[in-house]
Amino acid sequence: DVKVTQSSRYLVKRTGEKVFLECVQDMDHENMFWYRQDPGLGLRLIYFSYDVKMKEKGDIPEGYSVSREKKERFSLILESASTNQTSMYLCASSLHRASHYGYTFGSGTRLTVV
Amino acid sequence: AQSVAQPEDQVNVAEGNPLTVKCTYSVSGNPYLFWYVQYPNRGLQFLLKYITGDNLVKGSYGFEAEFNKSQTSFHLKKPSALVSDSALYFCAVRDGRDSSYKLIFGSGTRLLVRP
Repeated sequence: DVKVTQSSRYLVKRTGEKVFLECVQDMDHENMFWYRQDPGLGLRLIYFSYDVKMKEKGDIPEGYSVSREKKERFSLILESASTNQTSMYLCASSLHRASHYGYTFGSGTRLTVV
Repeated sequence: AQSVAQPEDQVNVAEGNPLTVKCTYSVSGNPYLFWYVQYPNRGLQFLLKYITGDNLVKGSYGFEAEFNKSQTSFHLKKPSALVSDSALYFCAVRDGRDSSYKLIFGSGTRLLVRP
């Protein structure tokens, strides 16, 4: 089975800190995604990537950036954390851009910004 | 634009009774439809999908879903609910003509199965 591993389950950071959320998948998937999950809002796409060094903005990219230097790793960066970025962050991967495969999700990182 | 609606924030059902979690969608092309389940403090797990073919799709844990093109719906069903089915359920859609392969998720429905 594909594994998507997010480095931290729970994280507490201070306002203004630079925050790195790491995601690693072990099955050579081309596509990787970062979502945030908030009650009543479902999952909202922040950024996604189809290939190494390639990134595209999702629906809510403001305040975030990403990095994909290796195929298996997709990092989400909060340049200057703010309290409104307190949320559950979910990483996902999938096999191919045009395929019918669904996503495989990591367990999530619950980030609290104080 | 693609969209997904899950009209119920919460569904309550007694154990052993049938359950339905509703989902409607809007896409301009052919829809690819998915259901995911999320247990507390966990990521989302894939349940089932509809791409083409038979309108009734069977998935994991005894769940099934029926694709209804005229009503643009993809409701999740199970004939007999278990307490362990209590979780958060997400419907998702992708437009078959969208080459980006982004999934659009609904807001989620919390299922509570009473013993």
